[in-house]
Amino acid sequence: DAKTTQPPSMDCAEGRAANLPCNHSTISGNEYVYWYRQIHSQGPQYIIHGLKNNETNEMASLIITEDRKSSTLILPHATLRDTAVYYCIVRVPSAGNMLTFGGGTRLMVKP
Amino acid sequence: AAGVIQSPRHLIKEKRETATLKCYPIPRHDTVYWYQQGPGQDPQFLISFYEKMQSDKGSIPDRFSAQQFSDYHSELNMSSLELGDSALYFCASSVGLGTTLSYEQYFGPGTRLTVT
Repeated sequence: DAKTTQPPSMDCAEGRAANLPCNHSTISGNEYVYWYRQIHSQGPQYIIHGLKNNETNEMASLIITEDRKSSTLILPHATLRDTAVYYCIVRVPSAGNMLTFGGGTRLMVKP
Repeated sequence: AAGVIQSPRHLIKEKRETATLKCYPIPRHDTVYWYQQGPGQDPQFLISFYEKMQSDKGSIPDRFSAQQFSDYHSELNMSSLELGDSALYFCASSVGLGTTLSYEQYFGPGTRLTVT
């Protein structure tokens, strides 16, 4: 699996967009980018995933650079309930099915 | 919408005792995963099952075993408990093993195991 690098922590003002970056410079052509978050002591929550096109759902948007070496998760209007650890995970669908959590970003949304 | 159910939510055991954690996946989900999260740590994959067969194995101690039953629920059996087994244990479920869908895993609320 490609290694990912995320900033350890970020702050965001409530109501503003939260932009969480992830570097995955060794990503291969068939690896997908997945984002999860974990609110304190709750089970991790799937947010979104993509291969090379930008993706949007009701929770967030995922922007993947053209060379696919980095991506950004965007929470358009952050709320206090978005305070969590956000994990960027790169996976090949056929390479086993476990998720490897590590090195996420602790996002603190402040009033 | 139905979610993953885990029981019990809290469990206190003494060293060398055994514990059984149960997981009921989302209806029509065919794959179940178990993760362990120690204090201040990230979740670590333990083991997974697809259609009642073990599909992947992670850092699961030999003292632990698990299985998936015909109704797709799963149980994690833990024996000779140690203080270091104190952790949150999450179960997750998904569909579409081998496809991108299998990484859309839906997690339960977890079981907090305390070993004294």
